[in-house]
Amino acid sequence: QVQLVQSGAEVKKPGASVRVSCKASGYTFTGYYIHWVRQAPGQGLQWVGRLHPNIGDTDYAQSFQGRVTLTRDTSITTAYMELSGLRSDDTAVYYCATIHDNGDYDDYWGQGTLVTVSS
Amino acid sequence: NFMLTQPHSVSESPGKTVTISCTRSSGSIDNNFVQWCQQRPGSSPTIVIYEDSQRPSGVPDRFSGSIDSSSNSASLTISGLRTEDEADYYCQSFDSNYHWVFGGGTKVTVL
Repeated sequence: QVQLVQSGAEVKKPGASVRVSCKASGYTFTGYYIHWVRQAPGQGLQWVGRLHPNIGDTDYAQSFQGRVTLTRDTSITTAYMELSGLRSDDTAVYYCATIHDNGDYDDYWGQGTLVTVSS
Repeated sequence: NFMLTQPHSVSESPGKTVTISCTRSSGSIDNNFVQWCQQRPGSSPTIVIYEDSQRPSGVPDRFSGSIDSSSNSASLTISGLRTEDEADYYCQSFDSNYHWVFGGGTKVTVL
């Protein structure tokens, strides 16, 4: 079965960087986009960006341009999100997700990774 | 860019019907497909409607989606409301670069 398993919670100081991983299994990793979405405490969903694991093509939301980098390691079917210049308002749960639309439509989400930015 | 505006909350009794609206601020709601995500407390989101009105397999037919060009809005209707439907619901569409745009979310409470 398809699974996305994310890395554990992180606590970072302002100005630092964080890297969150998303291990994919149960499907062809290089065949589908991986999206990243974040949710601040008590707030709504915000799209961060997407990565196509086959060619490494990336696209970022304007509000994260210059601070976020999406990468992947196809040998271990893992996608990464790195966010730099952390601020307190980056405190959020970060989700990875993949949508498979091949006639049937299925969405799969990771369990979320809490990133806390605090001095 | 455009915004998607949803009511903050709706509530209804079990067995009743609720409808959640999602109004696009600029550009036509027809321009890009609308999806609806359900997020139960403490859980990851999951899509219950895609491409305006399609249901993924496994989603009960109590969930339906529609588009109204006259009001430039999308709607999610949940009929035969059940306690398990209590969740936050987000509409989502795409901008001209196919970036995801989310509504602010609607909390559905089953009384």
